[in-house]
Amino acid sequence: NAGVMQNPRHLVRRRGQEARLRCSPMKGHSHVYWYRQLPEEGLKFMVYLQKENIIDESGMPKERFSAEFPKEGPSILRIQQVVRGDSAAYFCASSPRGGDGQPQHFGDGTRLSIL
Amino acid sequence: DAKTTQPPSMDCAEGRAANLPCNHSTISGNEYVYWYRQIHSQGPQYIIHGLKNNETNEMASLIITEDRKSSTLILPHATLRDTAVYYCIVKPIYGQNFVFGPGTRLSVLP
Repeated sequence: NAGVMQNPRHLVRRRGQEARLRCSPMKGHSHVYWYRQLPEEGLKFMVYLQKENIIDESGMPKERFSAEFPKEGPSILRIQQVVRGDSAAYFCASSPRGGDGQPQHFGDGTRLSIL
Repeated sequence: DAKTTQPPSMDCAEGRAANLPCNHSTISGNEYVYWYRQIHSQGPQYIIHGLKNNETNEMASLIITEDRKSSTLILPHATLRDTAVYYCIVKPIYGQNFVFGPGTRLSVLP
């Protein structure tokens, strides 16, 4: 998984706090995808972004979750007022382009634990 | 929902070939077959993908049947480090996200 960098690797928050997860895509990649993996489950798509644009957020919960991919800097997945059910592994993937069949390359994820 | 069916688990002896099957009987003409694997506590690792022709790279071979309704991932000489959950995913060329099913848990035994 060299190339896609996620930090922090582990994040602990108390209920009601905010969590910010960061993702730096592979060099030359301008498309970023966020997935969530609950314990013992498969990955679930959340959101797809290009630089400064959200392309598809059909998998994002309607409240408390937001994502951005600014012109400069990493992509951020932000979870406000976290609850126990937000505990999961959050993975970011990137690709050089979208819509041409190229594979996505994943980071090693951020494991979010809510106390 | 995932469009693929895989056995939940398989065992393979170290040094032997691991053949992981996948059924995707409803695949469309514009959909690729992708294989990823996830080793415990890591992110999914891309292995290989193909449309209709067989493919080979340094990691594995992908054999797609002529009717494209099933495929097999072949790890030619499995090692203990190949123990992982293997995901077979079908995605349209212009699709944006992968739909991960439960995959196949491959255990490579010494």
